[in-house]
Amino acid sequence: ETGVTQTPRHLVMGMTNKKSLKCEQHLGHNAMYWYKQSAKKPLELMFVYNFKEQTENNSVPSRFSPECPNSSHLFLHLHTLQPEDSALYLCASSQVAGQQNQPQHFGDGTRLSIL
Amino acid sequence: AQSVTQLDSHVSVSEGTPVLLRCNYSSSYSPSLFWYVQHPNKGLQLLLKYTSAATLVKGINGFEAEFKKSETSFHLTKPSAHMSDAAEYFCVVSESNTGKLIFGQGTTLQVKP
Repeated sequence: ETGVTQTPRHLVMGMTNKKSLKCEQHLGHNAMYWYKQSAKKPLELMFVYNFKEQTENNSVPSRFSPECPNSSHLFLHLHTLQPEDSALYLCASSQVAGQQNQPQHFGDGTRLSIL
Repeated sequence: AQSVTQLDSHVSVSEGTPVLLRCNYSSSYSPSLFWYVQHPNKGLQLLLKYTSAATLVKGINGFEAEFKKSETSFHLTKPSAHMSDAAEYFCVVSESNTGKLIFGQGTTLQVKP
């Protein structure tokens, strides 16, 4: 699946570092999502953007800061993370957010490790 | 509220034998249901979707799923497993009023030679 591209694929950072995750979709979609996937837990929806506007913040700590400059790009800015933030971060896109029959298309994720 | 339950956390089959991954859903409305697959170190790939058209849905890689309203089930099947099918499989329901995806806990499929 090359429709949604995430970079970097792997990231190791200390708790005091600042880094950003990038997601780009080439599907012409208008909605983009950030998910967190931790071992032995269901996928957790973090943020939803629809036509560049944030429509969902699922009680995510402020050390995670999303940015959506246009419908094709989504960033997740990270600062002062905790060890429990180590996980696979997945980006997804769909035609439009908020519609029941819309499948989401996922990128391959960024494996984040916090030292 | 909608929810999904994947009845098996781990399924092991021999190559060439049938695959059955079970999923039950809970929904007050006519649901939209999906199956996704995740191979190691990869994202989730859409296998198939049900959106109130035909109850037998054909997907990619020879997989199919049957929507059974009376049993509130959406089991995933494949007639003959291949080694490349070894992965994590997620049954997903879409919330009727928000479109949010509700994921099951996942089923790990092991394929033995």
